[in-house]
Amino acid sequence: EAGVAQSPRYKIIEKRQSVAFWCNPISGHATLYWYQQILGQGPKLLIQFQNNGVVDDSQLPKDRFSAERLKGVDSTLKIQPAKLEDSAVYLCASSPQRSYEQYFGPGTRLTVT
Amino acid sequence: AQTVTQSQPEMSVQEAETVTLSCTYDTSESDYYLFWYKQPPSRQMILVIRQEAYKQQNATENRFSVNFQKAAKSFSLKISDSQLGDAAMYFCAYRRSTGANSKLTFGKGITLSVRP
Repeated sequence: EAGVAQSPRYKIIEKRQSVAFWCNPISGHATLYWYQQILGQGPKLLIQFQNNGVVDDSQLPKDRFSAERLKGVDSTLKIQPAKLEDSAVYLCASSPQRSYEQYFGPGTRLTVT
Repeated sequence: AQTVTQSQPEMSVQEAETVTLSCTYDTSESDYYLFWYKQPPSRQMILVIRQEAYKQQNATENRFSVNFQKAAKSFSLKISDSQLGDAAMYFCAYRRSTGANSKLTFGKGITLSVRP
């Protein structure tokens, strides 16, 4: 079974630029999560999708971050415009329906200069 | 709101020895899950062990076991016979049991190094 795929693995941009990350969850997993992991901290949930609907986006900075999950499969997370404090690893995870376990992708390391 | 606290930023253990990683949490819920996740350097996070709050018996997975103290809201991870491959960041995490696929709340993590 293929794992959660993310791209790119690394990205360096200047502040005020835009960036997009892509995630392809494990086939058949209904739930998809985006986490932000700042260096030295644990992951923080940004947004959770159930199929293609948003379940929780309470910690997503909506003035600059957006996410979509078209057709309930893969997902993109966008930052526009980026700030220095957005430098972090962005993790995508997926989970089967009604399951406690989340499967994580390798993450995208974003550096904003 | 639920919080998870890992107060030790780093620990070190000799290969083949035993080490215990500490975690405390705060919640008003009576039913929930607790997890330990491992994140090796530049590799993806994987689940090490989980504990359901309603179970009194401590979970074990091979060399990994937990000491779950519900009243004290404490959830420590014991790694026996430590191996070089155990070196990683370890995160304690909490999840409500109700609500489909409710989110994980993570602690700050602890960096474990294993000395050969």
